[in-house]
Amino acid sequence: AQRVTQPEKLLSVFKGAPVELKCNYSYSGSPELFWYVQYSRQRLQLLLRHISRESIKGFTADLNKGETSFHLKKPFAQEEDSAMYYCALYNTDKLIFGTGTRLQVFP
Amino acid sequence: GAGVSQSPSNKVTEKGKDVELRCDPISGHTALYWYRQSLGQGLEFLIYFQGNSAPDKSGLPSDRFSAERTGGSVSTLTIQRTQQEDSAVYLCASSFRASYTEAFFGQGTRLTVV
Repeated sequence: AQRVTQPEKLLSVFKGAPVELKCNYSYSGSPELFWYVQYSRQRLQLLLRHISRESIKGFTADLNKGETSFHLKKPFAQEEDSAMYYCALYNTDKLIFGTGTRLQVFP
Repeated sequence: GAGVSQSPSNKVTEKGKDVELRCDPISGHTALYWYRQSLGQGLEFLIYFQGNSAPDKSGLPSDRFSAERTGGSVSTLTIQRTQQEDSAVYLCASSFRASYTEAFFGQGTRLTVV
């Protein structure tokens, strides 16, 4: 079955520290993967998608098919990065989300 | 409207009553998703519409849950005989089409069953 796993419920770092939010997936075909973010009292919104190979707000994510991972990384965390982050996998007819990781960035 | 609109924003209902949650997607978006967001459970997929048809209803938790979409636009999620475990935030999202395109989310309906 297709599945997205985010092993960390909470990740706390200090401002300026590197951040890596982990995401692993199980999928038999070629995955289409996304990271969504939900800031406090805001709607869930797309952060980035693997097909675009883009960097948004300093975040990048590389698809590693060998390790079936799509970890989200940022070299220097900012306080405004504090939010809930969801990894998502598109499968034929539905977008499947992981359980999310709450990132807390302390000043 | 400019974005996905859900109503009501908040709903408190008594156990055993039926509730209807409404989602107005972005005009022109053919794909529409319903999710349930519970504390510690992440985003639980409920159902997906492509146009008016729902190819996959397997995410609906029980037969008390149903959803429909008319005119390729507005969707309604109905929960019959609500139970306390139905309490959650119900999110709707729409996209121009499935795959590789951004899903836009509504603000959600917070359902509380007392």
